[in-house]
Amino acid sequence: EIVMTQSPATLSVSPGERATLSCRASQSVSSNLAWYQQKGGQAPRLLIYAASIRATGIPARFSGSGSGTGFTLTISSLQSEDFAVYYCQQYNIWPLTFGGGTKVDIK
Amino acid sequence: EVVLVESGGGLAQPGGSLRLSCAASGFTFGTYAMTWVRQAPGKGLAWVSTISGIGETTYYADSVKGQFTISRDNSKNMVYLQMNSLRVEDTAIYYCAKGGDYYGLGSYLSWGQGTLVTVSS
Repeated sequence: EIVMTQSPATLSVSPGERATLSCRASQSVSSNLAWYQQKGGQAPRLLIYAASIRATGIPARFSGSGSGTGFTLTISSLQSEDFAVYYCQQYNIWPLTFGGGTKVDIK
Repeated sequence: EVVLVESGGGLAQPGGSLRLSCAASGFTFGTYAMTWVRQAPGKGLAWVSTISGIGETTYYADSVKGQFTISRDNSKNMVYLQMNSLRVEDTAIYYCAKGGDYYGLGSYLSWGQGTLVTVSS
């Protein structure tokens, strides 16, 4: 199975600052990569699919990049509602696999 | 609007069984794959199983293969997860999610609110 590794595990950022989250795949997943946001007690919310396409209704401050084995989620200017846990997921081959998550908290 | 509502969670003893259900509405159910994803307390997301649009193809995580069975009833817009021989490590919130296409190898836009399964003696 493809192992997805996210870093850092925790990212402390001040509101208004930029956040850069990384996701690495153990083998190429092409651009078959999604990012999700999850807040406490809630279901995951799809942010990005196909590595760089924002899902419907996702603000432009969220952007995704990368292909192959290395991917980045950037939040250009953190808002209070962005403090959450973020997961990457590959869907290049079965089984679907998720990264371990990056928690973005308030500095 | 897509709505997914899970039910059937609760407390089960090790070795016991539970059947989770997910009621779907707001889309043409039989043309989309459905997936179960779980999240153990304080842990990350883990894919469990996916079933194709009319149920002819199923996929399972190695951790549940032979233990869990996914099925669907397209006449009722329902998807199920039969969980047998439950173990303490199966304790998790179980989410139902709608695939983006017929087979489900993709990202997941629509999720239910989850149902908690606790396996404990």
